[in-house]
Amino acid sequence: AQTVTQSQPEMSVQEAETVTLSCTYDTSESNYYLFWYKQPPSRQMILVIRQEAYKQQNATENRFSVNFQKAAKSFSLKISDSQLGDTAMYFCAFMKQLGGTSYGKLTFGQGTILTVHP
Amino acid sequence: DAGITQSPRYKITETGRQVTLMCHQTWSHSYMFWYRQDLGHGLRLIYYSAAADITDKGEVPDGYVVSRSKTENFPLTLESATRSQTSVYFCASSFDSYDYGYTFGSGTRLTVV
Repeated sequence: AQTVTQSQPEMSVQEAETVTLSCTYDTSESNYYLFWYKQPPSRQMILVIRQEAYKQQNATENRFSVNFQKAAKSFSLKISDSQLGDTAMYFCAFMKQLGGTSYGKLTFGQGTILTVHP
Repeated sequence: DAGITQSPRYKITETGRQVTLMCHQTWSHSYMFWYRQDLGHGLRLIYYSAAADITDKGEVPDGYVVSRSKTENFPLTLESATRSQTSVYFCASSFDSYDYGYTFGSGTRLTVV
């Protein structure tokens, strides 16, 4: 079974600064996907970014980027130019890649609460 | 409106009562999921469904029942609610391709007193 660990229960950052959230995972699979989800106070789960394990290039989405270290099983999220709207809980998640049309199940970490201060 | 909707948004029930949480999606997604969110545990999979009439257990299925007679609906029933089932429940659905990740409903906060 896969496990996902987020070792930082809470973090804070000043507006316009950069912050990095950590995530490690444990799996024996070689093909999989990794995700970061954002959950603001509204409770809505929002997909921030995803990474395919077979791709060496780190994914980037505007101010959000990841540092994917496959050998170390590490998948950190970097938020640049932090904004007040980034205040949320962030979840790291793992999905095993299956063949054909089979669909994998997401395994989530415990979450990190990020607070952006003005 | 298109999307995935959950109802109710909030629910308080008494121990021992049966309660059903509703989930409806308008995209005709094949896959649907139920998760519960608890502090310190993140989200944990309760049940999932690959298509109408096909369901399977997830990580924490005990005390829950699901059905999927129609593709668009995936209700979750707590047969006899317990205080340990106080949680936020999320329904999600996905395209057939895993590339896109899930789309989540807005969640139901259930309190069992």
